[in-house]
Amino acid sequence: DAGVTQSPTHLIKTRGQHVTLRCSPISGHKSVSWYQQVLGQGPQFIFQYYEKEERGRGNFPDRFSARQFPNYSSELNVNALLLGDSALYLCASSATSGTRPRYEQYFGPGTRLTVT
Amino acid sequence: AQRVTQPEKLLSVFKGAPVELKCNYSYSGSPELFWYVQYSRQRLQLLLRHISRESIKGFTADLNKGETSFHLKKPFAQEEDSAMYYCALRGPTDSWGKLQFGAGTQVVVTP
Repeated sequence: DAGVTQSPTHLIKTRGQHVTLRCSPISGHKSVSWYQQVLGQGPQFIFQYYEKEERGRGNFPDRFSARQFPNYSSELNVNALLLGDSALYLCASSATSGTRPRYEQYFGPGTRLTVT
Repeated sequence: AQRVTQPEKLLSVFKGAPVELKCNYSYSGSPELFWYVQYSRQRLQLLLRHISRESIKGFTADLNKGETSFHLKKPFAQEEDSAMYYCALRGPTDSWGKLQFGAGTQVVVTP
């Protein structure tokens, strides 16, 4: 298994544009979480999705949205990009054991977004 | 407000010396505490969690609820311990996929 995969690796956008980031979880993992990591800081939680439903939301504006597909992959969308959205966006997946979640999150390599 | 504080941005130690990474948290309740590590050119990965009370790669971490701390320790640092270390917490009412991270401590072990 390649682990959690994210695409694209890097991208550059202009202020005001829209961006879509993609994440594929580890096979069998049904939960996906998104984090934003600004340079010099730790990851900050944006969303968690499980079984295609939003299960948690961090303190981010409505310009940020996400969804999860039937195959458990996920997309993070950011509208009206601001310079401050420049960051590394991390995706993490976690397994579930029956209806009980497992605690460990497996992180992807991230997507580096630069807004100019 | 819940917060995770790692006071040291950079910790430089010699090989064979003890290393301690500090983590303090503020949370009104009983959160779960974790240490995640990121080695150079690798992904962020779980190192250990307080509930397990285990030693991973020689590292241990003790949860001190009175001092609200979860410091990471290793008695004899190795060069392969050079990495970025993040302390993280999850509140008991948080979704299980939500972690709050500290800013991280860069550990450099020199021979």
